[in-house]
Amino acid sequence: DVKVTQSSRYLVKRTGEKVFLECVQDMDHENMFWYRQDPGLGLRLIYFSYDVKMKEKGDIPEGYSVSREKKERFSLILESASTNQTSMYLCASSLDVGGLGETQYFGPGTRLLVL
Amino acid sequence: SQQGEEDPQALSIQEGENATMNCSYKTSINNLQWYRQNSGRGLVHLILIRSNEREKHSGRLRVTLDTSKKSSSLLITASRAADTASYFCATVHTGANSKLTFGKGITLSVRP
Repeated sequence: DVKVTQSSRYLVKRTGEKVFLECVQDMDHENMFWYRQDPGLGLRLIYFSYDVKMKEKGDIPEGYSVSREKKERFSLILESASTNQTSMYLCASSLDVGGLGETQYFGPGTRLLVL
Repeated sequence: SQQGEEDPQALSIQEGENATMNCSYKTSINNLQWYRQNSGRGLVHLILIRSNEREKHSGRLRVTLDTSKKSSSLLITASRAADTASYFCATVHTGANSKLTFGKGITLSVRP
């Protein structure tokens, strides 16, 4: 079974702190994704990566950056956390040959609270 | 927006009944997927239907796709209390590469 793990289930940070959210997948997937989920807004794509060191902006990249130095690991960075970044963050990965969009496998999520 | 829209937003049924959830979208797709999310957890993939398919089954799940109406439905037969969750449809739009666009979700409550 595909396993996607996220470094923390719950995280509390202060405004202005630099925050790192880590995601690791064990199935050698090319694609990895970061979403945030807010009530009434569904899932929104922040960034995704289709290969090591490659990244592409999603729908809401402002205030975030990402890093993918190894195939299995995709990090989301909040350079200076703000209260409006309080949210549930979900990481996902997929094996996608041909770029047609296949099943995504999700981690358990990180609930981030910024005070 | 390309975002899919699910209908209804919330559904409450008795155990043993069937649950039907609908999803509509605006632009052409490569495939459409349904996911389930238990409270406070990550999403779990249920089923994928491609644009050239009309119907797919997986256990108690049946998904249909009507590309002429740009809509899909998810039917859960003989529902159980354990089916209580949020359900999301997600579309891969033509030319969008690997990206999924999610709807806002349907909250299903199955009463024992």
